[in-house]
Amino acid sequence: GQNIDQPTEMTATEGAIVQINCTYQTSGFNGLFWYQQHAGEAPTFLSYNVLDGLEEKGRFSSFLSRSKGYSYLLLKELQMKDSASYLCAVRGDDYKLSFGAGTTVTVRA
Amino acid sequence: EAQVTQNPRYLITVTGKKLTVTCSQNMNHEYMSWYRQDPGLGLRQIYYSMNVEVTDKGDVPEGYKVSRKEKRNFPLILESPSPNQTSLYFCASSPTGQAGSPLHFGNGTRLTVT
Repeated sequence: GQNIDQPTEMTATEGAIVQINCTYQTSGFNGLFWYQQHAGEAPTFLSYNVLDGLEEKGRFSSFLSRSKGYSYLLLKELQMKDSASYLCAVRGDDYKLSFGAGTTVTVRA
Repeated sequence: EAQVTQNPRYLITVTGKKLTVTCSQNMNHEYMSWYRQDPGLGLRQIYYSMNVEVTDKGDVPEGYKVSRKEKRNFPLILESPSPNQTSLYFCASSPTGQAGSPLHFGNGTRLTVT
């Protein structure tokens, strides 16, 4: 089966940087996704990593180390609208996409 | 507008009364999937479909049925709902089920079974 772990909650100040870690143990690996989900809304796609290294997209960056089964999502210059849950998801050998329980980020003024 | 449409958004029903949650996408996506989301458990896959007439069980398929007779529609059927199926349900689609194809989610259906 798939095991995907991420912290339950994180709190940070507006303008700061927050790093959300995700560790995984899966049957095979065909990529890792990060999604953002605001309360009461649908998840929306943020980033995709399949090779080791850092992918940067504006204020958001995502890093992957396949040998360590580890990824992180870096949110820079935090804004109040970044308060949301961030979901780590891994696609395994069977191409099923499995999600972690999500990390709720609260941004304080 | 490209979207995944689920109906209804909210549904309250009683144990044992059959119900269907509809899902439709207008992006010509091959892959469609149903998830349920529960506090502390995250999104868990119920069923998925790689293409028309091809469906497979996800991680929590018990008590659910699906069908994929047309590319755009992927309804979720609960033949005899029970209270443990009270949850937030999401339908999602992607161009294919391969590698880097990201999911597009519908707005969710909040189901309460009493």
